[in-house]
Amino acid sequence: RKEVEQDPGPFNVPEGATVAFNCTYSNSASQSFFWYRQDCRKEPKLLMSVYSSGNEDGRFTAQLNRASQYISLLIRDSKLSDSATYLCVVNPSRDDKIIFGKGTRLHILP
Amino acid sequence: GAVVSQHPSRVICKSGTSVKIECRSLDFQATTMFWYRQFPKQSLMLMATSNEGSKATYEQGVEKDKFLINHASLTLSTLTVTSAHPEDSSFYICSAGRGGGTGQYFGPGTRLTVT
Repeated sequence: RKEVEQDPGPFNVPEGATVAFNCTYSNSASQSFFWYRQDCRKEPKLLMSVYSSGNEDGRFTAQLNRASQYISLLIRDSKLSDSATYLCVVNPSRDDKIIFGKGTRLHILP
Repeated sequence: GAVVSQHPSRVICKSGTSVKIECRSLDFQATTMFWYRQFPKQSLMLMATSNEGSKATYEQGVEKDKFLINHASLTLSTLTVTSAHPEDSSFYICSAGRGGGTGQYFGPGTRLTVT
């Protein structure tokens, strides 16, 4: 099993729709979890951290299920500017070294 | 969020030359920085972990004599690609974290083209 696994997509979604991404991780002792966004030919940017209690930031909601080792990201009312690659990231320990998933490509269609 | 800068943003060099890339954390101190490489349409690959005041830790398959890393201060790490070849052409990105598992912040990347 890969350390961090994501559906590569692409997801082609009409503007205004809701889209959900899933991610699984293999190390049950992992400490921290994040979603990053990467635009074409740009660096990854931290979108949000993911907590067991779930967290929301505007149109974005992240959930963590430690028992199932599963992370999700929900984007509501999608915008054209949401088109990007979304990277699931896991920190397996208390240092800063992180493990990336291969990313899920999202295309929002006008 | 934290700011990480990288310089240069783009460099074109001839085969056989060396290229130095700088990574700076602008508003925080980073005892650890990371260097990644990304080829087109592929995911980020961690090359090495740069530790302030000590030797870098390289990932398997990354030649430490070719990719020289120096972390001279808590705000600066450099990656030197020595004797660059066309296959080294890639997007090189550094990152730094504040510690405690709070995530990493990435520099804007350096696009290296070796002709």
